[in-house]
Amino acid sequence: VQLVESGGGLVKPGGSLRLSCAASGFTFSGYNMNWVRQAPGKGLEWVASISLSSSHIDYADSVKGRFTVSRDNAKNLLYLQMNSLNDDDTAVYYCARLGHNYESLGYRFEYWGQGTLVTVSS
Amino acid sequence: VLTQSPATLSLSPGDRATLSCRASQTISNYLAWYQQKPGQAPRLLIYGTSTRATGIPARFSGSGSGTDFTLTISSLEAEDFAVYYCQQRNKWPPGFTFGQGTKLEIK
Repeated sequence: VQLVESGGGLVKPGGSLRLSCAASGFTFSGYNMNWVRQAPGKGLEWVASISLSSSHIDYADSVKGRFTVSRDNAKNLLYLQMNSLNDDDTAVYYCARLGHNYESLGYRFEYWGQGTLVTVSS
Repeated sequence: VLTQSPATLSLSPGDRATLSCRASQTISNYLAWYQQKPGQAPRLLIYGTSTRATGIPARFSGSGSGTDFTLTISSLEAEDFAVYYCQQRNKWPPGFTFGQGTKLEIK
């Protein structure tokens, strides 16, 4: 299993950025995928979740209305479109795969990418 | 809300470490624990409160129910000094919550 994020960088407040996560080594279309972020020196914050067929999507209140998560199962890609960025969005963004059979075994992020850094600064 | 304690735990190799995670309301036994080392992504240690993830050594164990959960490391090794997070699935609003972390440092 490999998850590789890309698309991070420096962006001005109010700007936009799209992150990608390339998945390999497993059947991407069979798993719920998530974005989790970590501000510098801070803890982990869940950002967004998308179901197998994109039929169910959830967002943290802190990003709702500004961020959009999507996936392309044919290309094994997960995306995070981030608009109206502000200083509080500065963080390392990780994509993470939710473990299978989560309703019976428990909800857990069993695989993580290495993260991509997003810096919002003027 | 998940509250982890202590914020920092100073122990020596060979010691037993006990990390706590308390939920603000009763949660199902879906608590997970992660280890994170500087510059690395988190690594899943425990899920379903007490099930070790693949490849996790037996010195790591999880327990608890209701609102109180514990991660125990029976005998600390040098590579265990890191930050540990607990995580739950929210009842409402939908999503997931992490505790603020416990830093396990070498005494």
